[in-house]
Amino acid sequence: QVTLRESGPALVKPTQTLTLTCTFSGFSLTTSGMCVSWIRQPPGKALEWLARIDWDDDKFYSTFLQTRLTISRDTSKNQVVLTVTNMDPVDTATYYCARTSRYSTSFAFDIWGLGTKVIVSS
Amino acid sequence: QSALTQPASVSGSPGQSITIYCTGTSRDVGGYKYVSWYQQHPGKAPKLMIYDVSYRPSGVSSRFSGSRSGNRASLTISGLQAEDEADYYCSSYTGGSTWVFGGGTELTVL
Repeated sequence: QVTLRESGPALVKPTQTLTLTCTFSGFSLTTSGMCVSWIRQPPGKALEWLARIDWDDDKFYSTFLQTRLTISRDTSKNQVVLTVTNMDPVDTATYYCARTSRYSTSFAFDIWGLGTKVIVSS
Repeated sequence: QSALTQPASVSGSPGQSITIYCTGTSRDVGGYKYVSWYQQHPGKAPKLMIYDVSYRPSGVSSRFSGSRSGNRASLTISGLQAEDEADYYCSSYTGGSTWVFGGGTELTVL
C-alpha cells in the first residue's frame, strides 16, 4: 500500500524559511518512473503545483516560485523535503505531497498525502 | 503559468449527467495529452479520477469519463450520485516540466 505523509510546522513567521517533509512508503523513489511533487492549496482556493523530484534526482520548479523553492530527497529515509524561503502570509495554505508513477498513471498525481496546514503570521 | 479556466459551479440531479469543462491554451491542454482530473471532498486530499485526458485509474467508477477537443478538456459524470458532490480540478502539463491546475468547480447534487 502506497502512503505519503506530510509534516512540518503549523505556524511560521513572515520572512522565515519553511521546511516540509514528505515521508512515504510502498514505493521507492529510486525506481524508474517514480516522482514526488509538492502541491499547495490556500484556504478556499485552488490547487497550485510547486515542485517535483524524480527517480533520477531531476528537479523541477514552478516558474513563479522557483527562486524560493528547493526540493530534495533522502532515499535512505524515503523522504522528500521542500524548503520555501521568505514566507509571506499569502503562502498560508495546506501543503500536499503527491506521487507520480510514470509507468502506471503517466504524469498524473496518483496518490496524495493528507496535507499539512501552514499559517504564516507574526 | 496561468491557471486553467473552469466554471465555478455546476449542479445536477441524481441520475443525470453533467460535464465540467477545463479551458486552456495550445501551450497546455491543447498541446499535450497529460490532462488529469481530481475530485476533492471538503477537508480531504484530492483523488485522481482521470489521467491522460481519458483514462481511468483502477478503482474509479466508469461513470467518470474524460475527453478533449482543441484547448478544452471535459469531465463527464453520468448517473450522478450524492457522493459525487465535491470540488473537481483539472490539471495539465505546460511544457518545461511544469504543471498547472484549474480554478476548481464545485459540483452540487440537487
